Amino acid sequence: KAGVTQTPRYLIKTRGQQVTLSCSPISGHRSVSWYQQTPGQGLQFLFEYFSETQRNKGNFPGRFSGRQFSNSRSEMNVSTLELGDSALYLCASSLDRGGISAKNIQYFGAGTRLSVL
Amino acid sequence: DAKTTQPPSMDCAEGRAANLPCNHSTISGNEYVYWYRQIHSQGPQYIIHGLKNNETNEMASLIITEDRKSSTLILPHATLRDTAVYYCIGRSNSGGYQKVTFGIGTKLQVIP
Repeated sequence: KAGVTQTPRYLIKTRGQQVTLSCSPISGHRSVSWYQQTPGQGLQFLFEYFSETQRNKGNFPGRFSGRQFSNSRSEMNVSTLELGDSALYLCASSLDRGGISAKNIQYFGAGTRLSVL
Repeated sequence: DAKTTQPPSMDCAEGRAANLPCNHSTISGNEYVYWYRQIHSQGPQYIIHGLKNNETNEMASLIITEDRKSSTLILPHATLRDTAVYYCIGRSNSGGYQKVTFGIGTKLQVIP
């Protein structure tokens, strides 16, 4: 079974531009979460989608948004890029939404490394 | 979500057991303890999780104290490929939706 696929792997943008990152979850997984990882802040939760609806959101400005499609694939968008948005963006999928069961193990993709110049 | 505390770094000799501690003194009754690891430039990899009882799988063992305020991840025979950052995470069922909080983790260096 294929793992979580994120595209592109690397991206270079300039300040003020916008960017869209893509995530294809493991087949059959319905929940997709996004994380930002920087050397200073570590892994920070951005948001989670389930059944095309945002279910949970971290403490990030409105420039960060996302969506999920009917096939569970998800996209994340960052508008008006800032230098501080340079980071590794990770997507994780799980079989189901929140709940204390083994179904909710999250499987991560390799990430998209975004550099903002 | 439980706040977790881990030592920032640890060394372990190759072939020896690596014991990685985690303090989660604020964990609530329904929160599982999850462990992930991240090898440089890759996404985090699930290792193991538990609620009350000790758990073992093909990768590791998880020992949770009776009061659930701390746990230890044990890699029984560490290899060089186990060099990674290990995250102990609290997870909660927040209104039916999961929220995961990663700390800074423990950087484990396996030494030949």
